[in-house]
Amino acid sequence: EVQLVESGGGLVQRGGSLRLSCAASGFTLSSYWMHWVRQAPGKGLVWVSRINSDGSSIRYADSVKGRFTISRDNAKNTLYLQMSSLRAEDTAVYYCARDSDYGSGSYYNWGQGTLVTVSS
Amino acid sequence: QSALTQPASVSGSPGQSITISCTGTSSDVGGYNYVSWYQQNPGKAPKLMIYEVSNRPSGVSNRFSGSKSGNTASLTISGLQAEDEADYYCSSYTTSSALNYVFGTGTKVTVL
Repeated sequence: EVQLVESGGGLVQRGGSLRLSCAASGFTLSSYWMHWVRQAPGKGLVWVSRINSDGSSIRYADSVKGRFTISRDNAKNTLYLQMSSLRAEDTAVYYCARDSDYGSGSYYNWGQGTLVTVSS
Repeated sequence: QSALTQPASVSGSPGQSITISCTGTSSDVGGYNYVSWYQQNPGKAPKLMIYEVSNRPSGVSNRFSGSKSGNTASLTISGLQAEDEADYYCSSYTTSSALNYVFGTGTKVTVL
């Protein structure tokens, strides 16, 4: 069974940093593109970042570019999101999601999400 | 580039069919067959219902179908059931400089 489990969320002050992890099981992480998607309380889904299978191609939404860094350790079956210079508007549930092996942007599997709260 | 446009709400009676639209531009919905649809229940993670415009993942009811015409994609739910009440989001690949992928604004489906 495919499973994605996020961790690392919590309460952080404005300007602070946090690293999210997404542990994958039930499939070979190295074969798939992966994404981070966030959802502010009561709001819609917003794409944040994606990384291709071997980590050689990375993209970010403009809203997080220069502040967030996506990475992956295929040997550990884990996806990461390093977040710095956090702002109040970064408060959201962060989901990791598995794409296809060619990055179509179809999110076949999702984690349960981890809540990040940025206090001002 | 902001979100793709969806109606805020759609409702129908049990057994009826409803359609949710998702309007974008030639840079996203109209330009690529990389439109997908998600169902999200309160407090839960989204679930993939349709990928690449009209394909259903294994395990998703055939009451759900997807299509696209020009810059607008659509999700149709036929034989509406109480369990279909949820939020639905479309998503598309985009060549917008600000994003690489974009979601719709979301639609609340209510079963009357």
